[in-house]
Amino acid sequence: LAKTTQPISMDSYEGQEVNITCSHNNIATNDYITWYQQFPSQGPRFIIQGYKTKVTNEVASLFIPADRKSSTLSLPRVSLSDTAVYYCLVGDGTGRRALTFGSGTRLQVQP
Amino acid sequence: EAGVAQSPRYKIIEKRQSVAFWCNPISGHATLYWYQQILGQGPKLLIQFQNNGVVDDSQLPKDRFSAERLKGVDSTLKIQPAKLEDSAVYLCASSLASITSYEQYFGPGTRLTVT
Repeated sequence: LAKTTQPISMDSYEGQEVNITCSHNNIATNDYITWYQQFPSQGPRFIIQGYKTKVTNEVASLFIPADRKSSTLSLPRVSLSDTAVYYCLVGDGTGRRALTFGSGTRLQVQP
Repeated sequence: EAGVAQSPRYKIIEKRQSVAFWCNPISGHATLYWYQQILGQGPKLLIQFQNNGVVDDSQLPKDRFSAERLKGVDSTLKIQPAKLEDSAVYLCASSLASITSYEQYFGPGTRLTVT
């Protein structure tokens, strides 16, 4: 399984854009990149998934360069409720492999 | 649409006792996962089911942990006997059987404290 590296923690203020970068140097050809969000005392929640270039949904954007060795989760105009742990994961496209979570990035949004 | 249900939400037991957790996945989700999340760490996969068959249980401590998925729907995870290091949140998740989507739906978890 490809290993991911992401910052342990980040701080931001309300209204700012937050970019969390994840490194996955050993990503395989058929690996997808997935991001999850976890609030205290809750299970993780799927945010976004991508394979290459850029993916955007109502919550976030995911930027993946051509070499796919890293990815950046972009959260526009964060609010206090975005304070959470964010996990970057990669997995093969077989559908048989579950996700390997790292330690994640703890985002603290301040007023 | 109802989410993934888990029970109990909290459980406190003494070491060497037994405990069981129950999970009801989202209707129609063929794949079910059990994760263990120790405080301060990311979730660790214990076992993955596809319908009622085991796909991956490589990280399940089989000397004390067991899991089953009855009729491909509900699932139970059992620990017997429990150790202090089993104190964690046990998360159940489910997903559609897709080879391109990694969207899993997690339940609220069961917080286990072993004293």
